[in-house]
Amino acid sequence: EPEVTQTPSHQVTQMGQEVILRCVPISNHLYFYWYRQILGQKVEFLVSFYNNEISEKSEIFDDQFSVERPDGSNFTLKIRSTKLEDSAMYFCASNLPELASGGDPNTGELFFGEGSRLTVL
Amino acid sequence: GQNIDQPTEMTATEGAIVQINCTYQTSGFNGLFWYQQHAGEAPTFLSYNVLDGLEEKGRFSSFLSRSKGYSYLLLKELQMKDSASYLCAVTDSNYQLIWGAGTKLIIKP
Repeated sequence: EPEVTQTPSHQVTQMGQEVILRCVPISNHLYFYWYRQILGQKVEFLVSFYNNEISEKSEIFDDQFSVERPDGSNFTLKIRSTKLEDSAMYFCASNLPELASGGDPNTGELFFGEGSRLTVL
Repeated sequence: GQNIDQPTEMTATEGAIVQINCTYQTSGFNGLFWYQQHAGEAPTFLSYNVLDGLEEKGRFSSFLSRSKGYSYLLLKELQMKDSASYLCAVTDSNYQLIWGAGTKLIIKP
């Protein structure tokens, strides 16, 4: 069964360092997402990506963050100058829009990767 | 503002039935999802409701009432592996997915 894969599974970094989290979405999916979940808290939307550009982003996704699809398979989240409060589990997700909905991405099931745990010291 | 409410924690007995409620106030509605999340793992899809009524899928069922802004997830014949957090999420008028904080379900033998 196709799955979303993420690397690394766990990364420890020093405050102020740059981090790149990598994701390989399911190959025929068109929409890609990054979410984060601080330990014990709710899942938070960061950004969605379609047709090689950001389609939506939350207020959390400020200039510190960027996303890129450098080739046909990888989808990366870059966090510049990490802060202590960036420590969280970062989930990548992808989906294929339901044709009946006219292609809206949020009526389709989200497939999540297993997450990358980021610890900022 | 947008808000999704669900109980923080529930406890049930193995073999029993449990109902997890979710109420929402969002700017528009384009569907409601239930996800299961085991500790330290990614959420996994359980159900999607966009029309009123009950959707049944094996031991799990999900109900939606759009007029009441209310949904529930019903789990039957509980197993120890059902111990997890259950996340309610709603798609608003901008097709933004709004997540609840999740209900931690504890199953006791």
